[in-house]
Amino acid sequence: KQEVTQIPAALSVPEGENLVLNCSFTDSAIYNLQWFRQDPGKGLTSLLLIQSSQREQTSGRLNASLDKSSGRSTLYIAASQPGDSATYLCAVRGTGTASKLTFGTGTRLQVTL
Amino acid sequence: SAVISQKPSRDICQRGTSLTIQCQVDSQVTMMFWYRQQPGQSLTLIATANQGSEATYESGFVIDKFPISRPNLTFSTLTVSNMSPEDSSIYLCSVRAGGNEQFFGPGTRLTVL
Repeated sequence: KQEVTQIPAALSVPEGENLVLNCSFTDSAIYNLQWFRQDPGKGLTSLLLIQSSQREQTSGRLNASLDKSSGRSTLYIAASQPGDSATYLCAVRGTGTASKLTFGTGTRLQVTL
Repeated sequence: SAVISQKPSRDICQRGTSLTIQCQVDSQVTMMFWYRQQPGQSLTLIATANQGSEATYESGFVIDKFPISRPNLTFSTLTVSNMSPEDSSIYLCSVRAGGNEQFFGPGTRLTVL
């Protein structure tokens, strides 16, 4: 059974700092990995999708990497802003088109002025 | 991408009643998913709904408690039946578009008194 863990559970940084969020998963047989952002009481916004054959994906100030063999992914946020404050969730999808997403526990990020 | 809307956005219900949540997608999709997010927790998959077939429920979730309809390729409903305070959660509809990326609706925040 796939298990996904995110470290740290919470993080507070001053504005402008670069930061890294970590995600680890126990079964390396994944189809893809997706990073989401969730604002309090809201739905999920997809940030980045990395296919199992890819090593990284970039979107603006966000960069996600994937090391499938070691069961790890990182989300790098450059030059953090208060608007980046949210919970960040990573989710892995197992192999097979009908497989489901397994979510991590999330990292709650606070970017202070 | 896919744009998903949900109704209602929030509701406060009495114990023992039922609530039906609607999910509308702006494009035709084969698979729709219903998730629950209990307070302070990550997401848990309730069921997968394919058009023209019975929904597939995850372990711990049953059709009598969470009946699902999927009348066409852009719409689904989830009913939370005979509610108790333990059903207080955010319920999220999700679809997989382009075969890979998963998108989520804004969620329905349910409080059961």
